[in-house]
Amino acid sequence: DAKTTQPPSMDCAEGRAANLPCNHSTISGNEYVYWYRQIHSQGPQYIIHGLKNNETNEMASLIITEDRKSSTLILPHATLRDTAVYYCIAGFNAGGTSYGKLTFGQGTILTVHP
Amino acid sequence: GAGVSQSPSNKVTEKGKDVELRCDPISGHTALYWYRQRLGQGLEFLIYFQGNSAPDKSGLPSDRFSAERTGESVSTLTIQRTQQEDSAVYLCASSSMGQGPNYGYTFGSGTRLTVV
Repeated sequence: DAKTTQPPSMDCAEGRAANLPCNHSTISGNEYVYWYRQIHSQGPQYIIHGLKNNETNEMASLIITEDRKSSTLILPHATLRDTAVYYCIAGFNAGGTSYGKLTFGQGTILTVHP
Repeated sequence: GAGVSQSPSNKVTEKGKDVELRCDPISGHTALYWYRQRLGQGLEFLIYFQGNSAPDKSGLPSDRFSAERTGESVSTLTIQRTQQEDSAVYLCASSSMGQGPNYGYTFGSGTRLTVV
């Protein structure tokens, strides 16, 4: 799996957009970028994934650079409930020959404050 | 079911005892994963099942740990002769492995194991 690098922590004001960066400079062409988050005392929750194109769903947007070496998760209007550890993971080969094991790093602790 | 169910939610056991942790994945999910998370730490991969087979057991920390899956459904993680360092939250996840619209994992709420 491609290694990812994330800042250890970030702050965001409630109601503002939270932009969480992730570097994955060694990602290969068929590896996806996945984002999960883990709210205290809960199991991780899937947020979004993408390969090349930008993606948006009801939770967030994912912006992947053209060279695919980095990406940004955007929470458009952060709330206090978005306070969590956010994990960026690269390398899950969905539907391919890989068995799809996800390797979680340390993630980014996002704190949303009033 | 609607989600991944794990039982028990909490387990306190004496050092040296055996424990069994259960995971009920989402119906139809072919892939099942076990992870461990020690307090304040990240997730450690333990084992992966595709159907009833476990092609990757590389994360199991010792031969005291074993897991099985039956009927391409329920999985049991067994820890024999528990040690204090086994104390952690054990998380199970399942995935449809690209057979549906969502490739992601769905995690259960975990079993918090405390060895005293």
